[in-house]
Amino acid sequence: AQSVTQLDSHVSVSEGTPVLLRCNYSSSYSPSLFWYVQHPNKGLQLLLKYTSAATLVKGINGFEAEFKKSETSFHLTKPSAHMSDAAEYFCVVSEGSGPYTSIFGTGTRLKVLA
Amino acid sequence: EAGVAQSPRYKIIEKRQSVAFWCNPISGHATLYWYQQILGQGPKLLIQFQNNGVVDDSQLPKDRFSAERLKGVDSTLKIQPAKLEDSAVYLCASSLEISSQPQHFGDGTRLSIL
Repeated sequence: AQSVTQLDSHVSVSEGTPVLLRCNYSSSYSPSLFWYVQHPNKGLQLLLKYTSAATLVKGINGFEAEFKKSETSFHLTKPSAHMSDAAEYFCVVSEGSGPYTSIFGTGTRLKVLA
Repeated sequence: EAGVAQSPRYKIIEKRQSVAFWCNPISGHATLYWYQQILGQGPKLLIQFQNNGVVDDSQLPKDRFSAERLKGVDSTLKIQPAKLEDSAVYLCASSLEISSQPQHFGDGTRLSIL
């Protein structure tokens, strides 16, 4: 069975400082992993995805994530936070080829302080 | 390009009433998804369509929820009768390929049950 854990429900950073949002997963297979961002009262936007190619994945808006099999982690990072990054972030693990095999994490709310 | 359109944005009903949500996907997207997002949780897939056929509806509570996509374009999700626990945001998403995690989401319909 697969599972996903987002280790922090809330993260606060100052504008211009690095962002780290942590995600651990459990899977019996080689999973695909995704990060989504959701701004208030908006739908989700796909930031990046890992599908067994390069372990360091670059996404939109300067975000990237590194797949570490030994640590079963897929943490999301950004070198310098911007005010517009304030949002909810979801980590998703998928063992199959379709969304019906996917599980969303419970989300991490990122706050960016001026 | 136009995004995924959903209506209404907000809906308040009393328990045991009926409600319907509408979704128009991005033009040309054959795959359409409905998700339920309860406050404080990640989205949960309810049903996935490929054109006008159902790919997966294993997590759809079929005793009260129904969905259709008759002409393979827009879709309607209905709840009848509604229960208090149905209070959530209902998100529609679409994608070009059947096997991909959806990239494009609508802004959702926030349903409150009194």
